Amino acid sequence: EPEVTQTPSHQVTQMGQEVILRCVPISNHLYFYWYRQILGQKVEFLVSFYNNEISEKSEIFDDQFSVERPDGSNFTLKIRSTKLEDSAMYFCASSEGFTARYQPQHFGDGTRLSIL
Amino acid sequence: KQEVTQIPAALSVPEGENLVLNCSFTDSAIYNLQWFRQDPGKGLTSLLLIQSSQREQTSGRLNASLDKSSGRSTLYIAASQPGDSATYLCAVRNMDSNYQLIWGAGTKLIIKP
Repeated sequence: EPEVTQTPSHQVTQMGQEVILRCVPISNHLYFYWYRQILGQKVEFLVSFYNNEISEKSEIFDDQFSVERPDGSNFTLKIRSTKLEDSAMYFCASSEGFTARYQPQHFGDGTRLSIL
Repeated sequence: KQEVTQIPAALSVPEGENLVLNCSFTDSAIYNLQWFRQDPGKGLTSLLLIQSSQREQTSGRLNASLDKSSGRSTLYIAASQPGDSATYLCAVRNMDSNYQLIWGAGTKLIIKP
C-alpha cells in the first residue's frame, strides 16, 4: 500500500540553526500538510499546500516556517532559526486532490526534532 | 472554536472484550471525522473516515459511529487483542476550514493478555 515517507526519523539541532524536514507524499496525492505534536500534547495543524501554494496555515506557522515542493516528489518544511519550543514530532500528510475536504489524510511516521 | 475531547484518557481491558472509545466535539459544522491509531514513537495510522452525512463506517473489527447533532463519535472494537494496544485519536475537519484536522488528545488503550 502506498505510504508517506519522512526523513530523517530523528533530527538533533542546536538552537538558532536552520532545519529542513523532508517528506515524500503518496504519488497521486495533490494536497500536502504538516502537523506537529509536542510531547504529551495534542497534534496541531501547521500548514496545508496545494498547487505550489499555501492554502491554509495556523497561527503557529509564523515567518520562521516555510514549505516548499522543490521537485515532483518531495515536500519540505524549513524552520529558519530553531527555538527550544520547536522540539516536537513533526508529521507530514497527504490526501487526494478530488474534493480534498472529503478525503482521508494519510500520515508518515514523523520526524522527531530535538532542539538543544 | 472547535474543541475535541476524548474520554477516558486511558483504558485497560482484558483480551477478548468488546470496547468503546469516545470522542466529542463542540461544533457540529464538520465535513467529517477521522479515527487514527498511534503506536508509541510512531506515526498516525488512519483507521476510519466517517463523513458528516454518514452514521457508521466499518473496517474489520472496528466500527465508527457519528452523531453529528450531539457532537459525538464512538469507535467500537470487537474481540480486542493485545495487538490493539495503542493510542487512539479522533480528529474533525471543520466546515470553516477546508483542510486542517482538529485533534483530540487520544485514549491510550492497553489490552491485557
